[in-house]
Amino acid sequence: AQSVTQPDIHITVSEGASLELRCNYSYGATPYLFWYVQSPGQGLQLLLKYFSGDTLVQGIKGFEAEFKRSQSSFNLRKPSVHWSDAAEYFCAVGEPSGQNFVFGPGTRLSVLP
Amino acid sequence: SAVISQKPSRDICQRGTSLTIQCQVDSQVTMMFWYRQQPGQSLTLIATANQGSEATYESGFVIDKFPISRPNLTFSTLTVSNMSPEDSSIYLCSVSGARNQPQHFGDGTRLSIL
Repeated sequence: AQSVTQPDIHITVSEGASLELRCNYSYGATPYLFWYVQSPGQGLQLLLKYFSGDTLVQGIKGFEAEFKRSQSSFNLRKPSVHWSDAAEYFCAVGEPSGQNFVFGPGTRLSVLP
Repeated sequence: SAVISQKPSRDICQRGTSLTIQCQVDSQVTMMFWYRQQPGQSLTLIATANQGSEATYESGFVIDKFPISRPNLTFSTLTVSNMSPEDSSIYLCSVSGARNQPQHFGDGTRLSIL
């Protein structure tokens, strides 16, 4: 069965600093991978997705993620964090059918002024 | 992407009562899902809402506790029955329009049971 781990429960960075959130997955076939963000009191917003092709994917709000099959990882990055990026970030793996999404436990990002 | 509206956005309910949550999508979608997010936790899939047939429930969730309807391709409801404080969570509806498409989420229903 597929699974997703996010090793960092909570990360704090200063505004303007770079960011990398880690995600590791376990999946029997080619994974379909996603990053979602949940701001306080909100639902989940899709940041980016990887289905196939270029392993470096660009998303909204200046985020990008890189798929590394050899490391079973799909880490999220941003070169310069803004205070509005403070939120909970979830990595997920799913099937091409759109079903059987499994979410990681989430990483809470705090941003210092 | 589809616009998903959930109602109510939040509610405070008494123990033993039931609440029905609505999920409306602005376009026809193939799949609709219901998730639970307990305080400080990640998302857990409750069930897949199937149009015209009974929902498919995940392990640990039963129809008597979480009856689901999906009368058409744009609307679904989730009822949380006989509520207890342990049911205090965020309940989220998500949709997927086609193969190779991500799930998109509504803003959720924040439910507190006293």
